[in-house]
Amino acid sequence: AQKVTQAQTEISVVEKEDVTLDCVYETRDTTYYLFWYKQPPSGELVFLIRRNSFDEQNEISGRYSWNFQKSTSSFNFTITASQVVDSAVYFCALSEALTGGGNKLTFGTGTQLKVEL
Amino acid sequence: DVKVTQSSRYLVKRTGEKVFLECVQDMDHENMFWYRQDPGLGLRLIYFSYDVKMKEKGDIPEGYSVSREKKERFSLILESASTNQTSMYLCASSLNRGMNTEAFFGQGTRLTVV
Repeated sequence: AQKVTQAQTEISVVEKEDVTLDCVYETRDTTYYLFWYKQPPSGELVFLIRRNSFDEQNEISGRYSWNFQKSTSSFNFTITASQVVDSAVYFCALSEALTGGGNKLTFGTGTQLKVEL
Repeated sequence: DVKVTQSSRYLVKRTGEKVFLECVQDMDHENMFWYRQDPGLGLRLIYFSYDVKMKEKGDIPEGYSVSREKKERFSLILESASTNQTSMYLCASSLNRGMNTEAFFGQGTRLTVV
């Protein structure tokens, strides 16, 4: 069975600090996708990024960057120069292929990020 | 932009009541999902649907049923609400069955069963 582990339950930082959110996954599939979602206090999960299992190239997008390492089954997410608006719950998710076709997402338990002034 | 709309933000129901949670998406997505979110447990999949009138059980379907009579609408039904079904319920949709398709979520319904 697929599994996603986010060991950090809650992280508090001061504005402008860098922060890394950890994600470790388990799967037997050779082809899979990993996602990060953000859930602000309003409640609606917002898609941030996806990576496929064949693309280990790390990426930077503005203040966000992602570090995908198959060797350690990790897909970590870093926010540089954090801002108060980054305060949210962040979920890592793994896309699982189903035998009947299609897929479903398996989510981690989430990391609550609090950015304070 | 994709819009996924859940009919209620907050609901309070009594134990034993039949409860309907409604979800509508406006982007002609094939797939729709119902999750529940609980502290320390993340999001868990209740049911999903790849097409009209079809449904598949997720990881925690007990005590729930669903209905998809139209492509844009996916309803979650609690046949006889119980206090352990107090939770945040999230509806989502995605374009197709590809593994790379991201899900779009509604704002959630916080259900309290008393």
